[in-house]
Amino acid sequence: NFMLTQPHSVSESPGKTVTISCTRSSGSIASNYVQWYQQRPGSSPTTVIYEDNQRPSGVPDRFSGSIDSSSNSASLTISGLKTEDEADYYCQSYDSSNQVFGGGTKLTVL
Amino acid sequence: QVQLQESGPGLVKPSQTLSLTCTVSGGSISSGGYYWSWIRQHPGKGLEWIGYIYYSGSTYYNPSLKSRVTISVDTSKNQFSLKLSSVTAADTAVYYCARNSKLTVSYDYWGQGTLVTVSS
Repeated sequence: NFMLTQPHSVSESPGKTVTISCTRSSGSIASNYVQWYQQRPGSSPTTVIYEDNQRPSGVPDRFSGSIDSSSNSASLTISGLKTEDEADYYCQSYDSSNQVFGGGTKLTVL
Repeated sequence: QVQLQESGPGLVKPSQTLSLTCTVSGGSISSGGYYWSWIRQHPGKGLEWIGYIYYSGSTYYNPSLKSRVTISVDTSKNQFSLKLSSVTAADTAVYYCARNSKLTVSYDYWGQGTLVTVSS
């Protein structure tokens, strides 16, 4: 089994850009797609990125995803931050036998 | 629009079996192309995949919970269910049912979640 490690929290000002990392402990980050979910307090998660860098319809293009094989990590980048982006963000990936979520990152927009 | 709704007891005694059902509306479980999933979130913590089932009945479980978990499907009622045996306080969590798309490999629809407390 592998783990996905995220920073516990990040903060940035409105209008700025923030990047949240997600590092895979074993196995290649490129071998299985990475998804990113946004969870606001009291709500269920929603997908903001799927298949490493694809945005579902309705998700603004301020959200982008990427992977970096050299660091074995995925990243979620949010540009032009808005106060409504304040939420918890989870990365998720899988292998042949398991689905794994990262521990989550609390984004504060202040 | 697909909707998922969890139902079941909000309080379970230690050592007993937790049982939840997810009712799917706006789409058929039997249509294929999706894994029907259970995911939980301990209070103030992150998401933990419990397992999922395909409409055919094939199941996949989190190795850490596999010995205690059973997921089943009732296509006639468009429902799928979770049973978690021998629960302890550590199983207190919000339990979500969700749909995992084989096409996008993402969880594209979620229920609202239901809090299950394990306590005597």
